[in-house]
Amino acid sequence: GQQLNQSPQSMFIQEGEDVSMNCTSSSIFNTWLWYKQDPGEGPVLLIALYKAGELTSNGRLTAQFGITRKDSFLNISASIPSDVGIYFCAGGNSGGGADGLTFGKGTHLIIQP
Amino acid sequence: ETGVTQSPTHLIKTRGQQVTLRCSSQSGHNTVSWYQQALGQGPQFIFQYYREEENGRGNFPPRFSGLQFPNYSSELNVNALELDDSALYLCASSPGTSNEQFFGPGTRLTVL
Repeated sequence: GQQLNQSPQSMFIQEGEDVSMNCTSSSIFNTWLWYKQDPGEGPVLLIALYKAGELTSNGRLTAQFGITRKDSFLNISASIPSDVGIYFCAGGNSGGGADGLTFGKGTHLIIQP
Repeated sequence: ETGVTQSPTHLIKTRGQQVTLRCSSQSGHNTVSWYQQALGQGPQFIFQYYREEENGRGNFPPRFSGLQFPNYSSELNVNALELDDSALYLCASSPGTSNEQFFGPGTRLTVL
């Protein structure tokens, strides 16, 4: 099945650094979402974006819905150890999500103390 | 407010067998979607149930089927298991027509 292109695949950073990751698609989406998944658990919704150009924050996390509707980015400021995990972008379309969400392969975030 | 729950946590089956996985949606959510997550990949959409009917389906064969019950809980059934069916199966619930989907912890299925 289709997957979105997420980059980077993995990131090794120092605690306190800012993090930036992005997601691109060949298709247009009317909703972009960012999830975080810890080992052995299901993805947890971080941010949802509904409008092209929209910039939304959730604490230290900021995400933007690209104006072309084909991309999105997520920034994490002042990283802390609990930010470690896999971050997934997801795109959605038709009302009710009847087409399901399309996910990227994830960005592995590893923080070195 | 109770989140999405799934059972069982882990399951081991052999090729050719059938399996049923269960999901209880988050309180107030009437839509349930199922995803398959292979190791090292993002979740892949299997199908969605709304008002007890299949509302949308991804690129999965008919041996993947499901049900939704009046209390919005759901089952995923997989017949004639293949080795490649080994994966984490995730259930997600959402309120009505929202794209914001909230995931359960998943069921880890191993097919030998």
